[in-house]
Amino acid sequence: GENVEQHPSTLSVQEGDSAVIKCTYSDSASNYFPWYKQELGKGPQLIIDIRSNVGEKKDQRIAVTLNKTAKHFSLHITETQPEDSAVYFCAASKGGGGTSYGKLTFGQGTILTVHP
Amino acid sequence: GAVVSQHPSWVICKSGTSVKIECRSLDFQATTMFWYRQFPKQSLMLMATSNEGSKATYEQGVEKDKFLINHASLTLSTLTVTSAHPEDSSFYICSAQGAGTFGSGTRLTVV
Repeated sequence: GENVEQHPSTLSVQEGDSAVIKCTYSDSASNYFPWYKQELGKGPQLIIDIRSNVGEKKDQRIAVTLNKTAKHFSLHITETQPEDSAVYFCAASKGGGGTSYGKLTFGQGTILTVHP
Repeated sequence: GAVVSQHPSWVICKSGTSVKIECRSLDFQATTMFWYRQFPKQSLMLMATSNEGSKATYEQGVEKDKFLINHASLTLSTLTVTSAHPEDSSFYICSAQGAGTFGSGTRLTVV
């Protein structure tokens, strides 16, 4: 089955700096790669996603890049703010579309701390 | 946007009892819902795929007789942890309508 590795496990940055979290996946059939932010005691919140037919996607301060050949994808957060502090998870899916994308394999998570 | 409501948010039960967790899609119909389990400081692990009107599909290593899933309508899936034991204590999270919509989770503590 799919295996997703995520690094680093913890990341500490100063407010205003950039943060980068990287993930690799094993199944070349995976075609959907979402990123989640999870705050303590809450469910994960989708922050950005990318499909395998796209190499990069950006939404304000957040961007995701995908290298299908190397089977890795990364989350980039610019101009970090203290409220960005949370646990971030990457995930991979090989759903054919629609609800199939809900069957996800998650990375191990990254605890991001943004110091004011 | 799509909203998934999960209840209860937390529950404490005695060892040997059963606990039911509900996952509702509030503004859409979900033919498929997913149940995940998350142990403290760990990632989310898929337990099962809940299909409306048919049997759930369980991931390897998940006991279907212990974790009963019912998806009797297009807006409700339930997970019942039967004969709960302390090792079942975890954070249970459902999702529906693809990857973007997760419930708020249920913290189960078995004492």
